[in-house]
Amino acid sequence: EAGVAQSPRYKIIEKRQSVAFWCNPISGHATLYWYQQILGQGPKLLIQFQNNGVVDDSQLPKDRFSAERLKGVDSTLKIQPAKLEDSAVYLCASRTYRTSGRGTQYFGPGTRLLVL
Amino acid sequence: SQQGEEDPQALSIQEGENATMNCSYKTSINNLQWYRQNSGRGLVHLILIRSNEREKHSGRLRVTLDTSKKSSSLLITASRAADTASYFCATDAGGFQKLVFGTGTRLLVSP
Repeated sequence: EAGVAQSPRYKIIEKRQSVAFWCNPISGHATLYWYQQILGQGPKLLIQFQNNGVVDDSQLPKDRFSAERLKGVDSTLKIQPAKLEDSAVYLCASRTYRTSGRGTQYFGPGTRLLVL
Repeated sequence: SQQGEEDPQALSIQEGENATMNCSYKTSINNLQWYRQNSGRGLVHLILIRSNEREKHSGRLRVTLDTSKKSSSLLITASRAADTASYFCATDAGGFQKLVFGTGTRLLVSP
């Protein structure tokens, strides 16, 4: 079974530029997550999709971050304009839908963003 | 925001020794999970323990959960150099398995 794919793996941009990240979840996984992981910290959830609908985006800085999941499969996360504090690893994860409280999240390798 | 804290922040041991890391959290949970992250890579799920369970084993891993103290511990027995990584606890307190991660413990196992 193929894992969660993310691209690009690395990105360097200057502040105020825009950037987009792409995620392809494991086939059949209805739930998709985007996390931000700042160096030395644990991942922080930015947004969670169930199929192509948003379940939770309470920690997404909506003035500069946006995300979409068209057709309930691939997803893109965009930052416009980027700030220095956006430098982080952006992780995508997916999960099959469960109501029982179980269910493992499978993570992609992440995109490492450096904003200069 | 982070759900809780992990202790210690960093741990350095020799191969063959046991490694214990602790996690404290703040709210009631459905389950608690432990993940490993190798340098520069994504997270790998290690083990899940439900709120009604007190202890769980998986290979060289042993996890305990004390809901009265809102704490969990991960024990890695007979550690190997390949266990060198950061370890995160994550709590699931909601209906759509929204995970809230701790701050992590960096484990270094020297040959």
